Amino acid sequence: AQSVSQHNHHVILSEAASLELGCNYSYGGTVNLFWYVQYPGQHLQLLLKYFSGDPLVKGIKGFEAEFIKSKFSFNLRKPSVQWSDTAEYFCAGRFSGGYNKLIFGAGTRLAVHP
Amino acid sequence: NAGVMQNPRHLVRRRGQEARLRCSPMKGHSHVYWYRQLPEEGLKFMVYLQKENIIDESGMPKERFSAEFPKEGPSILRIQQVVRGDSAAYFCASSPRAILSQETQYFGPGTRLLVL
Repeated sequence: AQSVSQHNHHVILSEAASLELGCNYSYGGTVNLFWYVQYPGQHLQLLLKYFSGDPLVKGIKGFEAEFIKSKFSFNLRKPSVQWSDTAEYFCAGRFSGGYNKLIFGAGTRLAVHP
Repeated sequence: NAGVMQNPRHLVRRRGQEARLRCSPMKGHSHVYWYRQLPEEGLKFMVYLQKENIIDESGMPKERFSAEFPKEGPSILRIQQVVRGDSAAYFCASSPRAILSQETQYFGPGTRLLVL
């Protein structure tokens, strides 16, 4: 079955620390992968997406993610977090044969302390 | 350029009442998706619609839930005879084109439904 899993449900960091949020998917076919962010009280915003090509994807606000096919992973990274990065982060996949629906991970809540 | 609009933003219903959630996609988008986010969980796909057609309703509960996207007007997610377990945030997303395209889904602000 197609699924997306996020390992860390809660992450607490200090400002300037490096961030890596894990995301794994389960599927052997073609997959598009996304990271969305949800700031408190706001709607989901797209951070970055991977469809094909260069497995290292740059997104907005200094975020990047690397697609590693052999590990079925699409981890999100940022070298130096800011207080304003406090939010919930969702990894999502769109799988071939699944029409156009997105399958989301459970989310990771990031709290950045000044 | 207005984004995806959803209304109401907050909806309170008593058990047994009906809830109607509306979603207006971004201009030029003809594909709408509904997702539900239960407390402490990620978003779960419910239904995918194009104008006047339901393409994929594999995530919709079999009873009490229905969705439509008429030729004119917003998409409607309707929940009949609500129960406390329906309390959740309901998100709508839209995209311009069909499957297997490199299009992104853009999300609305959500409707938070509370069933008393």
